[in-house]
Amino acid sequence: AQSVTQLGSHVSVSEGALVLLRCNYSSSVPPYLFWYVQYPNQGLQLLLKYTSAATLVKGINGFEAEFKKSETSFHLTKPSAHMRDAAEYFCAVTSIQGAQKLVFGQGTRLTINP
Amino acid sequence: GAGVSQSPSNKVTEKGKDVELRCDPISGHTALYWYRQSLGQGLEFLIYFQGNSAPDKSGLPSDRFSAERTGGSVSTLTIQRTQQEDSAVYLCASSGTGVSWEQYFGPGTRLTVT
Repeated sequence: AQSVTQLGSHVSVSEGALVLLRCNYSSSVPPYLFWYVQYPNQGLQLLLKYTSAATLVKGINGFEAEFKKSETSFHLTKPSAHMRDAAEYFCAVTSIQGAQKLVFGQGTRLTINP
Repeated sequence: GAGVSQSPSNKVTEKGKDVELRCDPISGHTALYWYRQSLGQGLEFLIYFQGNSAPDKSGLPSDRFSAERTGGSVSTLTIQRTQQEDSAVYLCASSGTGVSWEQYFGPGTRLTVT
């Protein structure tokens, strides 16, 4: 079985500050890990993915995430927040063994303060 | 090319009525997924189709829910005798072949059961 825990349902940062969204996973098999972003009234957009290659993954809009097997973590970071980053962010896990369902965390709503 | 499309974007129905939600995946994608997003339950997997294989229905919450995929392309999710707890956003995703099994999401159908 697989599961994802996102620490903090709401995160608020100032514009220009570091963004850190936490994600821990549980998986009995090697995982694929994803971060998705959801803007209001829109579907999910893939930010970045870990698929067992490089542990530091760079995505769109200046985001990156580091896979740490020893900590079972896949935290999302961005050095400098922009107002347009305000959205809900979801971490998800699936099996490395092929196309499978995504198991999502509960999401973290990111607010950017001017 | 075009992304995943879903129709209708919004659906309001009376309790007890049947509804059909449609998903058009990205052309050439062999895998298709349905998820449900609701306030209380977050993002939940419902059903997964892969090529001509039997679908994975393990996420369907009750036998009132069913889905089919015709010709390996368009999919319809049917909810019979709708209940108020069925109110949610229903998201469809598709993915192609390859090592990452990256899922692309549609904008969703917002279902409201009155």
